[in-house]
Amino acid sequence: GENVEQHPSTLSVQEGDSAVIKCTYSDSASNYFPWYKQELGKGPQLIIDIRSNVGEKKDQRIAVTLNKTAKHFSLHITETQPEDSAVYFCAASGLSGGYNKLIFGAGTRLAVHP
Amino acid sequence: GAVVSQHPSWVICKSGTSVKIECRSLDFQATTMFWYRQFPKQSLMLMATSNEGSKATYEQGVEKDKFLINHASLTLSTLTVTSAHPEDSSFYICSGRAGGQETQYFGPGTRLLVL
Repeated sequence: GENVEQHPSTLSVQEGDSAVIKCTYSDSASNYFPWYKQELGKGPQLIIDIRSNVGEKKDQRIAVTLNKTAKHFSLHITETQPEDSAVYFCAASGLSGGYNKLIFGAGTRLAVHP
Repeated sequence: GAVVSQHPSWVICKSGTSVKIECRSLDFQATTMFWYRQFPKQSLMLMATSNEGSKATYEQGVEKDKFLINHASLTLSTLTVTSAHPEDSSFYICSGRAGGQETQYFGPGTRLLVL
């Protein structure tokens, strides 16, 4: 089945710097890759997603790139702000038991220091 | 984005009792709903997938008789933790996905503490 690895597990940056989180997946059939932000005590919130027919997608300060050949995708946050501090999860769609479901990475704890 | 609510947001119960958690999609029809469990500082672990009107499909290692899932309508799914024990204490999160779509929208989570 699908396996998603996420790095780094923790990331500390200064306000205004960029942050990059990387994920690799194992199932070449995966075709949908969302990123979620989870603040303490809350549910995950979708921040951006990308499909396999696109190599890059951008939404204001957030961008995601996908390399299907290498089976990896990355989240880029520019001009980081303290409110970007949270845990970020990448995920890849996978077919298991006849159902399409998301396989999540282990998460990256991002701390943005003022 | 689409909105999913959960109720209650937190619950404390005694060991041996049952607890029901509701998950509602407020502005879309969730053909499929998912239930996850999350321990502190860990990732989301999928417990089961349910399609409206069908029996839930449980992940390996998840006891279907302990975690009862009902998805009776396109906007409501419930998770009942039966005969709860302290090791069932966790953060339970549901998500909904509209038919033909890939995006899952998550609820705010329910924190369960079993004493």
